[in-house]
Amino acid sequence: AQSVTQLGSHVSVSEGALVLLRCNYSSSVPPYLFWYVQYPNQGLQLLLKYTSAATLVKGINGFEAEFKKSETSFHLTKPSAHMSDAAEYFCAVSSFNDYKLSFGAGTTVTVRA
Amino acid sequence: KAGVTQTPRYLIKTRGQQVTLSCSPISGHRSVSWYQQTPGQGLQFLFEYFSETQRNKGNFPGRFSGRQFSNSRSEMNVSTLELGDSALYLCASSPQGSRQGETQYFGPGTRLLVL
Repeated sequence: AQSVTQLGSHVSVSEGALVLLRCNYSSSVPPYLFWYVQYPNQGLQLLLKYTSAATLVKGINGFEAEFKKSETSFHLTKPSAHMSDAAEYFCAVSSFNDYKLSFGAGTTVTVRA
Repeated sequence: KAGVTQTPRYLIKTRGQQVTLSCSPISGHRSVSWYQQTPGQGLQFLFEYFSETQRNKGNFPGRFSGRQFSNSRSEMNVSTLELGDSALYLCASSPQGSRQGETQYFGPGTRLLVL
């Protein structure tokens, strides 16, 4: 079985500050890891994904994430928060023998002016 | 290319009724997956269809069913609705549904309210 844990259900940052969202995974086989963002009343939009190539993955809107096998982590960062980053963020995992996405509980980001 | 579309966007039903939700995948995509999103349980996988065959199923009761047509469009049906079925139902499509970390593209969802 595979799963992810997102630490912190709510994160509040000042505009221009670092955004750091934590995700730890559990998988018995090499994982594929994803970060999705959800704006109010919308579906999920892919920010970035890791599929066993480079461990540092760059995504859209200035986000990036680093896969650390030793720490079983895939934390999402953005150097400078923008008001438009206010949304809910989901970490998800799949694998070769389990195609479905298993999601974390989500982290809601608010950005203070 | 048009994205994943879902209809209807909003739906209100009463307990005991049944409901059918529709999903049109991105053109050329052959795999369609369905997810349920609720505040209490989060995002949970319902099932995946590929080439008109259910290939994977989540841990939901038999009241939840689906199908896929030859043009890859998919429907899901929930019979004998319960209050707990109130949720946002998300559809996602991918080109091949491969097991190699293929991206799933999500639609805007259908918000179902059961009264």
